[in-house]
Amino acid sequence: GAVVSQHPSWVICKSGTSVKIECRSLDFQATTMFWYRQFPKQSLMLMATSNEGSKATYEQGVEKDKFLINHASLTLSTLTVTSAHPEDSSFYICRAKPQRAGRAEADFGSGTRLTVV
Amino acid sequence: EDQVTQSPEALRLQEGESSSLNCSYTVSGLRGLFWYRQDPGKGPEFLFTLYSAGEEKEKERLKATLTKKESFLHITAPKPEDSATYLCAVLAGYGGATNKLIFGTGTLLAVQP
Repeated sequence: GAVVSQHPSWVICKSGTSVKIECRSLDFQATTMFWYRQFPKQSLMLMATSNEGSKATYEQGVEKDKFLINHASLTLSTLTVTSAHPEDSSFYICRAKPQRAGRAEADFGSGTRLTVV
Repeated sequence: EDQVTQSPEALRLQEGESSSLNCSYTVSGLRGLFWYRQDPGKGPEFLFTLYSAGEEKEKERLKATLTKKESFLHITAPKPEDSATYLCAVLAGYGGATNKLIFGTGTLLAVQP
């Protein structure tokens, strides 16, 4: 089956520093990748949608200068949280949509727990 | 506004005690309804996709059903390892452009031995 690898699984960083999270599709090509944020006991909130080779589309209220998304290849997308603050602490999850048509079951990564201290 | 609501918020069952989780939705142009299982600290794991009212899918102790306004996830004779948060999500919108999933807040299921 399709596998999406997300790294790191958890990270602790100091306020003001930047953190990069990687999302890789291991056995398929993903033309589209999605980045979600999940707070405790809350739903997954879509942050942005990225298509390989083009700029990401951000959801309303998501700061694109703070959450930098790069989708440089069909198997890798990165989310960089710049100048992180404690309120950025959350669970971040990527989702990769395979290139082949007709498959609606895009696969999720295992998530990254970010704690900003 | 497109909306997905799951109930109950939390459910505690005894091992072997069957029950159902509900996902009700109001969306324009349903293209698919998804059920996921999420363990603590992990990403969602895909369970089922349902596309049209009347459709049913089964996997081990789980069965998902769909009507025009809601979906049920039936759990038959659950075991402790079925304990997790179950998420429902809807893919909505007309045309081929959107792939945005709208998630419910989930049902936290605890199965006690």
